[in-house]
Amino acid sequence: QKEVEQNSGPLSVPEGAIASLNCTYSDRGSQSFFWYRQYSGKSPELIMFIYSNGDKEDGRFTAQLNKASQYVSLLIRDSQPSDSATYLCFLWGSSASKIIFGSGTRLSIRP
Amino acid sequence: DVKVTQSSRYLVKRTGEKVFLECVQDMDHENMFWYRQDPGLGLRLIYFSYDVKMKEKGDIPEGYSVSREKKERFSLILESASTNQTSMYLCASSYGGGGYEQYFGPGTRLTVT
Repeated sequence: QKEVEQNSGPLSVPEGAIASLNCTYSDRGSQSFFWYRQYSGKSPELIMFIYSNGDKEDGRFTAQLNKASQYVSLLIRDSQPSDSATYLCFLWGSSASKIIFGSGTRLSIRP
Repeated sequence: DVKVTQSSRYLVKRTGEKVFLECVQDMDHENMFWYRQDPGLGLRLIYFSYDVKMKEKGDIPEGYSVSREKKERFSLILESASTNQTSMYLCASSYGGGGYEQYFGPGTRLTVT
C-alpha cells in the first residue's frame, strides 16, 4: 500500500459543478495536510492546509480532514476552467522521513 | 515575495558526469527540500535539510548527495549521472517544523544521455 494514495484521474467535471478530490494516507501520526495545485509545466503552489479534523473553507475551496478514517479531501465549488490542473495531496508525517506527496489527481473542467 | 531560484531550467549531461544542481531561497527558511518529479509518480523526496549542514534522507536518496553550507543554499549532487536520473528536479523551502507551506523553485529539467 502506498503511503499516500490519490486517484490519478483524469477527473472531468462540468463548469460550475463541484469537484471532489480525495486522498488517503497510512501514517496515523501525520500532523498536517496540504493541497497543492500544479499547472502543466509549472511548479506546485499551495491551495490549502488543514491540521484538525473537520472542514476548513477558503473561498471556493473546502478541505476536509478525517484522521480516524485517514483521509483528506478537497472540494472545489463552482468549478472554473482555470481550475484544470493536477492536485497534489501532501502530508507531514510522524518523522522527518515522512514527508510525502501523493502522485496527484488530474482535474479537467469542461465548459 | 518568497523567491526560490534554481541554477538551470534545462541541463543535458552525459552518463558518468558529476552534476551539481543549485537552489537558493531568499526568505531565511530553515527547511529546504529536493524532489524529483516523474510522470505518474508525483513528487518524490530525495533529501531534506532542516538546518545548515543537517540533512535527512528521503524516499530515493540513492545516487544523490546534498550539501548545505549556508542557510540560503541547498545543492543536489549526482555523483555519477545515469540515464535513470533523467527527470524534473524541484527544490523547495519552508519555515522550520512540519506545518508550513513549501515554496517551490521553477525546476530543472535534467536529461542524461
